[in-house]
Amino acid sequence: GENVEQHPSTLSVQEGDSAVIKCTYSDSASNYFPWYKQELGKRPQLIIDIRSNVGEKKDQRIAVTLNKTAKHFSLHITETQPEDSAVYFCAANENRDDKIIFGKGTRLHILP
Amino acid sequence: DVKVTQSSRYLVKRTGEKVFLECVQDMDHENMFWYRQDPGLGLRLIYFSYDVKMKEKGDIPEGYSVSREKKERFSLILESASTNQTSMYLCASMTSGSYEQYFGPGTRLTVT
Repeated sequence: GENVEQHPSTLSVQEGDSAVIKCTYSDSASNYFPWYKQELGKRPQLIIDIRSNVGEKKDQRIAVTLNKTAKHFSLHITETQPEDSAVYFCAANENRDDKIIFGKGTRLHILP
Repeated sequence: DVKVTQSSRYLVKRTGEKVFLECVQDMDHENMFWYRQDPGLGLRLIYFSYDVKMKEKGDIPEGYSVSREKKERFSLILESASTNQTSMYLCASMTSGSYEQYFGPGTRLTVT
């Protein structure tokens, strides 16, 4: 089955700087890669996703890139703000079972 | 707006007790999931269901069972709670094939 690895587990960046979180996946049949954000005490929520027919997708300050050949994808947050502090999870779908497999998460701290 | 609700936000149970966690979604989603979230381990899938009365084991089903008698409701059962089942439990639902999961607020279960 699918295996998703996520790095780093913790990331601290100065407010205004950029943050990058990287994930790799194992199943070449995966074709959907979402990113979830979980603020402290709240439920995970989808913030952006990408399908395997595109290499990059942007939504204001966040972007996701996908390299199918290397089987890795990344989340980029530019001009970070205090409200970006959260745990971020990457995931990849497992077509066979109609479910998604999550990475272990990255705790992002935005430093004032 | 999709709404996924869970029966309790906080629950304290004693070792050996039978515990029921309930999840209800209001968007007629076919698929429902139960995860547990532990620090450093991310979101681990316990069980999922494609349809009424159907269930599939996830990655860590031991010590748990589930019930889906109605499409909107998915219950997680701990037959005999143990201290190592102290965790945050998250329910999610999604339309089949969409892979976008909507999460409930979570139940923090403490087994003493």
